[in-house]
Amino acid sequence: SAVISQKPSRDICQRGTSLTIQCQVDSQVTMMFWYRQQPGQSLTLIATANQGSEATYESGFVIDKFPISRPNLTFSTLTVSNMSPEDSSIYLCSATGLGNQPQHFGDGTRLSIL
Amino acid sequence: DAKTTQPTSMDCAEGRAANLPCNHSTISGNEYVYWYRQIHSQGPQYIIHGLKNNETNEMASLIITEDRKSSTLILPHATLRDTAVYYCIVRAIRSYNTDKLIFGTGTRLQVFP
Repeated sequence: SAVISQKPSRDICQRGTSLTIQCQVDSQVTMMFWYRQQPGQSLTLIATANQGSEATYESGFVIDKFPISRPNLTFSTLTVSNMSPEDSSIYLCSATGLGNQPQHFGDGTRLSIL
Repeated sequence: DAKTTQPTSMDCAEGRAANLPCNHSTISGNEYVYWYRQIHSQGPQYIIHGLKNNETNEMASLIITEDRKSSTLILPHATLRDTAVYYCIVRAIRSYNTDKLIFGTGTRLQVFP
């Protein structure tokens, strides 16, 4: 199964700043996704990262706040823009491999905004 | 994707079988049942999935009722390391834009010594 690495694993940021999270997969994958997990909550899908085109966002999430890039099959970034304390969450990247492989997840980026 | 219903929490003694139920009464014929778990401070881990037949792998067994409206994940010999939140998810057979997983609230399984 694909191994998914995220960087950074955690960060503490000041409000009003932006942070870019990187997601690297060790093998070719078809689909990549970004999720948010707020404290004590389940995972919520932010968007599908599309290779070479704009991401597909879920209801309640917009590109200006969460710009996403996917320049190739194995790498994606999520930027959390103009952060506020409400953005304190774990942000997770996932990917679906070739064939009939299930979706696998990274261990997430734990983000705290002061 | 169909909605799932799971108990909020369950307990299980170490060494015993843990049976985690999931109700998915509105499941469609082209939807699989997937199980993931999330151990504290880690990303969700894939466990198993099935369409209509029972499935078994090195981690668990999945029993799907004949009408497919419910399923049970079985951990045959639970250990303390199986303490986690378990998510039951139904998802349509893969096509370009149906790969996303919609997570519910899951079942918090506590394995005790």
